[in-house]
Amino acid sequence: NAGVTQTPKFQVLKTGQSMTLQCAQDMNHNSMYWYRQDPGMGLRLIYYSASEGTTDKGEVPNGYNVSRLNKREFSLRLESAAPSQTSVYFCASSLTGLGGYTFGSGTRLTVV
Amino acid sequence: AQSVTQPDIHITVSEGASLELRCNYSYGATPYLFWYVQSPGQGLQLLLKYFSGDTLVQGIKGFEAEFKRSQSSFNLRKPSVHWSDAAEYFCAVGRNSGNTPLVFGKGTRLSVIA
Repeated sequence: NAGVTQTPKFQVLKTGQSMTLQCAQDMNHNSMYWYRQDPGMGLRLIYYSASEGTTDKGEVPNGYNVSRLNKREFSLRLESAAPSQTSVYFCASSLTGLGGYTFGSGTRLTVV
Repeated sequence: AQSVTQPDIHITVSEGASLELRCNYSYGATPYLFWYVQSPGQGLQLLLKYFSGDTLVQGIKGFEAEFKRSQSSFNLRKPSVHWSDAAEYFCAVGRNSGNTPLVFGKGTRLSVIA
């Protein structure tokens, strides 16, 4: 089915470990986004890519890096995981920055 | 910068009763407004959106929302709630220009009782 695919779905890391969350969309969308969701906090934007070749910081970028590998793929990297990064991470995409987003099913990350 | 407030953290309604979820936004110009629903363990799904024109917009699953500029509101309504509507609902606001990402509210959790 067309949509946004995130991998992995679940991950447990030890403090200080690194990992990359993968996101791919097959809808030929231009814009892609990474959000984190924490209880009572809603969705907070980490980074986004308005178009291939560009990336920008969102509300909570500290501790994260991103790569827009091509038009389809937008990865999120944690270089040195911290317990505060325990969260559910969602990737989303949109045809333009003005349209509704299509979300992936999320990655539940626990840092111990 | 734009912002969104969802005043109700948790609402409980009886199956068959009507529903209204509140959303207030802050943005100087005409906003783009969205409602999303998140079922447990799932990603977010777009329910409806408002860009311009008719201030009453229809969405999927029998939901509708009304844009009221004078009140800076975009409340979500459903005339008769089904048990399957139990989920978390998010309001979001975007600018009507450029590629500025959406800003989401903190969500309202809806419980449905028999």
